[in-house]
Amino acid sequence: EAQVTQNPRYLITVTGKKLTVTCSQNMNHEYMSWYRQDPGLGLRQIYYSMNVEVTDKGDVPEGYKVSRKEKRNFPLILESPSPNQTSLYFCASRLGREETQYFGPGTRLLVL
Amino acid sequence: AQKVTQAQTEISVVEKEDVTLDCVYETRDTTYYLFWYKQPPSGELVFLIRRNSFDEQNEISGRYSWNFQKSTSSFNFTITASQVVDSAVYFCALSEADGAGTALIFGKGTTLSVSS
Repeated sequence: EAQVTQNPRYLITVTGKKLTVTCSQNMNHEYMSWYRQDPGLGLRQIYYSMNVEVTDKGDVPEGYKVSRKEKRNFPLILESPSPNQTSLYFCASRLGREETQYFGPGTRLLVL
Repeated sequence: AQKVTQAQTEISVVEKEDVTLDCVYETRDTTYYLFWYKQPPSGELVFLIRRNSFDEQNEISGRYSWNFQKSTSSFNFTITASQVVDSAVYFCALSEADGAGTALIFGKGTTLSVSS
């Protein structure tokens, strides 16, 4: 089944404790992105990647890192999480620049 | 600058009513793509439809239909004979062919509640 998977789906952590949210797609898509969804602010892009080893900042990159060492994986790294990073995170992928984005199931993160 | 406006924050209807969700967009690009996504209470984002700026043909898929009008920069979504399972947040989104970052620009969403 073609899909985007994320892990973990739910995470509670404390300020400053490094964490990684994994994202994987099995559709051989070139483009991958991370979004966060917050009440009143909607969905905003954090980082995106156009191919292996090619990443760039989105609208809200502060406090996040990403890497794209393999085509299928695009992990989101929070080196020192803070409470304002409490959010619902979505990974997305698409075949090409102008193609439809397909989203993972989301990761609910709570930073205490 | 690109922008998507969904003026209706919340809509409540009774089952079997028809409902239209409005979407107005702004872009300077001549080539762009419009999308609708559904977010049910479980939280995932489900793709519903994609429309290219050069294709103004309206589309129908079962009880769902979409009306794309470039003259008014609108891409409205109608659910005919709504059902309780249609209750969700619906997002309209825009992607520009020349847009930096390839981001989807989302509207704030419309929460649809369908009661039985």
